[in-house]
This record gives sequence, structure tokens and C-alpha cells, in this order.
Amino acid sequence: AQSVTQLDSHVSVSEGTPVLLRCNYSSSYSPSLFWYVQHPNKGLQLLLKYTSAATLVKGINGFEAEFKKSETSFHLTKPSAHMSDAAEYFCVVSDRASNTGKLIFGQGTTLQVKP
Amino acid sequence: EAGVAQSPRYKIIEKRQSVAFWCNPISGHATLYWYQQILGQGPKLLIQFQNNGVVDDSQLPKDRFSAERLKGVDSTLKIQPAKLEDSAVYLCASSNNRGKDYGYTFGSGTRLTVV
Repeated sequence: AQSVTQLDSHVSVSEGTPVLLRCNYSSSYSPSLFWYVQHPNKGLQLLLKYTSAATLVKGINGFEAEFKKSETSFHLTKPSAHMSDAAEYFCVVSDRASNTGKLIFGQGTTLQVKP
Repeated sequence: EAGVAQSPRYKIIEKRQSVAFWCNPISGHATLYWYQQILGQGPKLLIQFQNNGVVDDSQLPKDRFSAERLKGVDSTLKIQPAKLEDSAVYLCASSNNRGKDYGYTFGSGTRLTVV
């Protein structure tokens, strides 16, 4: 079965400092991985996705993630946090085993950005 | 393009009452998903439609939840009777090719509170 584990439930950074949100995955297939962001009372927005092309994936708003198969990780980073980055972030794997396209979400990481 | 539309945005009901949620996916998207997001958790798939047929409803509590997708477009999700533990945000998402293009668009969700 495929799954994702987000290693931190809450991350706090100061504005202008780097952001690191950690995600490990478990998959018996070559996975498709995503990061979604959810701002309060808003829908889920796709930040970036990995689908077996380049291992370093660049997304919107300056975020990027690196797929590391040897470490089964897909950590999300950003060089410099902005106040508007404060939100809930979800690491997600697509259930390619079932071929339904079902998305399996991690528990989420709350990012707090302090001024 | 217009996004995924959901209504209502908020709903408060008493336990044992019934409630229905509506979703209008992006035009042309054949795949439609309903997810349940309990506070503090990642979204969990309830049911997936491909056109008007059910692909996956293994996580749907069928004794109280039902869903339909008439004519392969709009969908409704119903709970009858509601329990306290059904309090959650119900998210609808759509995709134009399940699992193949890995593009999913989420609605803003319906926040249900059962008292």
C-alpha cells in the first residue's frame, strides 16, 4: 500500500529565512508525488508535482522539492519565507497501484511565518 | 477556466438529520472525487466517479452516505442520518483523465458541523 508521512505537524520560521517541510513516502510502484497548500477557508492548491521526470521539481511561489528515491523522500523547500506562505501543506502520493488516480494525503504540516 | 463549484459553503445540522452537498466540476472533466477532511487530518477519499459510474467507494460509509453523479456532470453527496463524527470539510475535486495527467482541481469545500 502507498502512504506518505509528513515528519513535522508544525513548522515555524521567521520571514526571510528558509523553509523545509519534510515528507517520506512508501510505494511499491514508481510514485507520482505532489505538494498541495491550503490557506484558511480556501481550497487546495497544487504547488508542484513529480511524475518521473526531473528529480528537482520547481513549483509556484518559489517552492521546489527534490525526489530522492534512495531516501524515499520528497521534501519541500523555499529559500526565503514570506508572510503569505503561512498555511497548511500536504504531501500527496497518487495511488498508481489501483490505476484510479486516487490521491493519498499526508496528515499535513502547518507553516507559521513570524514577522 | 471556471473552477470546481461547491455548495453550500457552510452547514450546521443536528445529529440524525440529513444533509446534501453539491459539486459542479470543471467542464469536460470525466473524473470526480469526494474527499472528507476532518480537522487536523489530511483529506480522505470517500468516492470516485468516472463519468457517471463509480470507480472506488471502498471508504464510503454506505449505511449513511450516498452519492450520485447524474449525466456524468454534477454530483451530490448525501448523509442520512448524520453523526457527530461526520463534522468535517467535504471537498470535491475533478480531473480530465484519472491518474494519467495527474491534474486535479479542488473546490473550496463545504464545512459541515453536526451538533
